[in-house]
Amino acid sequence: GNSVTQMEGPVTLSEEAFLTINCTYTATGYPSLFWYVQYPGEGLQLLLKATKADDKGSNKGFEATYRKETTSFHLEKGSVQVSDSAVYFCALSVTSGSRLTFGEGTQLTVNP
Amino acid sequence: EAGVAQSPRYKIIEKRQSVAFWCNPISGHATLYWYQQILGQGPKLLIQFQNNGVVDDSQLPKDRFSAERLKGVDSTLKIQPAKLEDSAVYLCASSYRGRPQVAFFGQGTRLTVV
Repeated sequence: GNSVTQMEGPVTLSEEAFLTINCTYTATGYPSLFWYVQYPGEGLQLLLKATKADDKGSNKGFEATYRKETTSFHLEKGSVQVSDSAVYFCALSVTSGSRLTFGEGTQLTVNP
Repeated sequence: EAGVAQSPRYKIIEKRQSVAFWCNPISGHATLYWYQQILGQGPKLLIQFQNNGVVDDSQLPKDRFSAERLKGVDSTLKIQPAKLEDSAVYLCASSYRGRPQVAFFGQGTRLTVV
């Protein structure tokens, strides 16, 4: 079956530090990959996506590259801010209308 | 644009009791989703509606969970009887055209079963 594995968290960083949150997946076929973010007290929001191998998704300074050879979609940001503190979820879907499969989430805390 | 509204925000019940959650999707969104998010896990799809019809309920524990969307707008999710392992956040989401990847999520209802 399809599955997503995220790095064991939580992650605590100082402001302006470099961020990497690892995500690997197992799927039949060629899935689309996503990162969602959940800020405190808010609903899940789509952060970025990539639909085919070697695509790079980016938004709000975050980036992730679809690596088919390593079945990975790691989230990176060059300089985190306190406002980036949130829970980040990696997810996949096998076809456009199919259900999302989420990873377990990674809690990021950025200290000033 | 108003977001996805859910109520209540929090609920505490005893095991074997029943509980219901309500969701009002974004106006015009035909597709509605209910997810269960257990602490430390990612959201898991319970049921997906297209208008008032069920598209996917393969992961819904039908012996105790039920959901309806009678007029293709609001939806309710019910658990009867509740078990301790049903403690979770129940998320409702909606999308315009059956693409869960671009769905908008509500804040969720946190259920604690004691």
